[in-house]
Amino acid sequence: GQQLNQSPQSMFIQEGEDVSMNCTSSSIFNTWLWYKQDPGEGPVLLIALYKAGELTSNGRLTAQFGITRKDSFLNISASIPSDVGIYFCAGQEGAGNNRKLIWGLGTSLAVNP
Amino acid sequence: DGGITQSPKYLFRKEGQNVTLSCEQNLNHDAMYWYRQDPGQGLRLIYYSQIVNDFQKGDIAEGYSVSREKKESFPLTVTSAQKNPTAFYLCASRSILQGGGYTFGSGTRLTVV
Repeated sequence: GQQLNQSPQSMFIQEGEDVSMNCTSSSIFNTWLWYKQDPGEGPVLLIALYKAGELTSNGRLTAQFGITRKDSFLNISASIPSDVGIYFCAGQEGAGNNRKLIWGLGTSLAVNP
Repeated sequence: DGGITQSPKYLFRKEGQNVTLSCEQNLNHDAMYWYRQDPGQGLRLIYYSQIVNDFQKGDIAEGYSVSREKKESFPLTVTSAQKNPTAFYLCASRSILQGGGYTFGSGTRLTVV
């Protein structure tokens, strides 16, 4: 099936640093979602974006829906050890909530205290 | 609290045996999904259901079967025809009316011994 191009694949940073990751698609999306997965657990929704150009924050996390509707980024400011995990982007083509999500392969984040 | 529950958390299966993974949600969500997660491959869709008594194959349905007799329940059977069943299995649900992201269970790790 179709997948998104998510980068970087992995990151190793120092506590307190800012982090940025992004996803790109060859097709236009109507919805972008960002999830975080802790080891051995299911992904948890961080931020949902529904409009081109939309910029949304959730605490230290900020995500944007690209104006071309083919990309999205997630920033984490002032990283802390509990930010460790895998971050996934997901997108939905077209209107209608019965459409399936398309997933990126994830960005694995490690934070050195 | 509303949520989605997967059981068991860990499951061991002998080769040639069928096993059934449970997924129950009390969120009143219409749609339910089963994903398989392998290291470095992200989330791959096995089956999904948008309404009771109806379900659709995802990208990797071979060797799996599902049923949707009740809105709350979407069990997944891993059959002996699945050649490489060892993986982390995630169940998710979503409200088609409200849209938004998927809510995930905490996963079942299946190991073939």
